[in-house]
Amino acid sequence: SQTIHQWPATLVQPVGSPLSLECTVEGTSNPNLYWYRQAAGRGLQLLFYSVGIGQISSEVPQNLSASRPQDRQFILSSKKLLLSDSGFYLCAWCQGTGQETQYFGPGTRLLVL
Amino acid sequence: GNSVTQMEGPVTLSEEAFLTINCTYTATGYPSLFWYVQYPGEGLQLLLKATKADDKGSNKGFEATYRKETTSFHLEKGSVQVSDSAVYFCALIPDNYGQNFVFGPGTRLSVLP
Repeated sequence: SQTIHQWPATLVQPVGSPLSLECTVEGTSNPNLYWYRQAAGRGLQLLFYSVGIGQISSEVPQNLSASRPQDRQFILSSKKLLLSDSGFYLCAWCQGTGQETQYFGPGTRLLVL
Repeated sequence: GNSVTQMEGPVTLSEEAFLTINCTYTATGYPSLFWYVQYPGEGLQLLLKATKADDKGSNKGFEATYRKETTSFHLEKGSVQVSDSAVYFCALIPDNYGQNFVFGPGTRLSVLP
């Protein structure tokens, strides 16, 4: 069966520091991968998605970036965090062969102080 | 464009009450429709889905019917429990290949004993 992991689970970072969040998927190959952000009490905002290694699409201009160095690994990064980057970051995957269900990871809670 | 509208809540019910969370959508063609649930501090879990008109998705006592004529996918449960307290997201994926999920804003449900 497929599983999706995210780490760290919780992160507290000062403003201006760098960020690296990692997401890995097991039990499948060539998945579509997604990064979402959920601000406190708000809905989901799609940040990035990837249909293959090295292929990244950005949905919203941010001081964030994403990379996919391996088939089942998706990384969210920032060179300098802003206060507004605080939130709950969710990684998701789907098989990408059609109208497929998206499966979500447990999330990373980021607090920027 | 594609969009999902749902009541934002919060919805507060007593245990064993009947639940309805309304969801309507805008999309061309025949999207697939989903309900996801997010328990406090966790990622989203697929609750149920329907892929064509008049399909009924069901899981854990929850049901939703894909109504093409009213572009709706309302979530219902006959008798809620305290453990159903969570945020519920309605979502669609269009039938055009390569399109991404569209999520509603989420509805927070609180069930009181």
